[in-house]
Amino acid sequence: NAGVTQTPKFQVLKTGQSMTLQCAQDMNHNSMYWYRQDPGMGLRLIYYSASEGTTDKGEVPNGYNVSRLNKREFSLRLESAAPSQTSVYFCASSEVGGPRKTQYFGPGTRLLVL
Amino acid sequence: AQSVTQLGSHVSVSEGALVLLRCNYSSSVPPYLFWYVQYPNQGLQLLLKYTSAATLVKGINGFEAEFKKSETSFHLTKPSAHMSDAAEYFCAVTDTGNQFYFGTGTSLTVIP
Repeated sequence: NAGVTQTPKFQVLKTGQSMTLQCAQDMNHNSMYWYRQDPGMGLRLIYYSASEGTTDKGEVPNGYNVSRLNKREFSLRLESAAPSQTSVYFCASSEVGGPRKTQYFGPGTRLLVL
Repeated sequence: AQSVTQLGSHVSVSEGALVLLRCNYSSSVPPYLFWYVQYPNQGLQLLLKYTSAATLVKGINGFEAEFKKSETSFHLTKPSAHMSDAAEYFCAVTDTGNQFYFGTGTSLTVIP
């Protein structure tokens, strides 16, 4: 099993450009998440999807949109990239089951916005 | 609101020495607590989790953590550090399981 996969691994954008980060999981998990990781700030939740067909804002949703395409895939879109969105983005998934559930993380996408 | 505080952004230990990484949490409801490890250029992997079953939790690679409600702490320990333990460690908390709050991380260096 591949687990959680993310594409692309690296991306350089110019300010104002748009892009979509892709995430897929093959563990039949219901919940999926997008985080950003910045130095000295840990991981911060951008959006999550508790189940197929639902999405909710996390701690830092501004400037991002998400789509839960199906149970496997959860994409993150930057409509107009800004330098403040330079970060490492992680997708995660978890099985349903309340707060005991374990999150499984993808390898990350490193984004640089110039 | 929930949060976690990790004291010490960088910790160095000698190989074979005790590892102690500190995590204090703030939660208005009984928390569920997690420790994750991140190796360079990789995603996070679960080390262990506390889900109210037992206060002393054993994880992978010889790590364990003790939940102390009176101190609102969930410190991570390992009796004897190995070179392969060098990584970044994150403490996280949740109550509902939808929103997880991560600490800022502790980078562990193991000195040979």
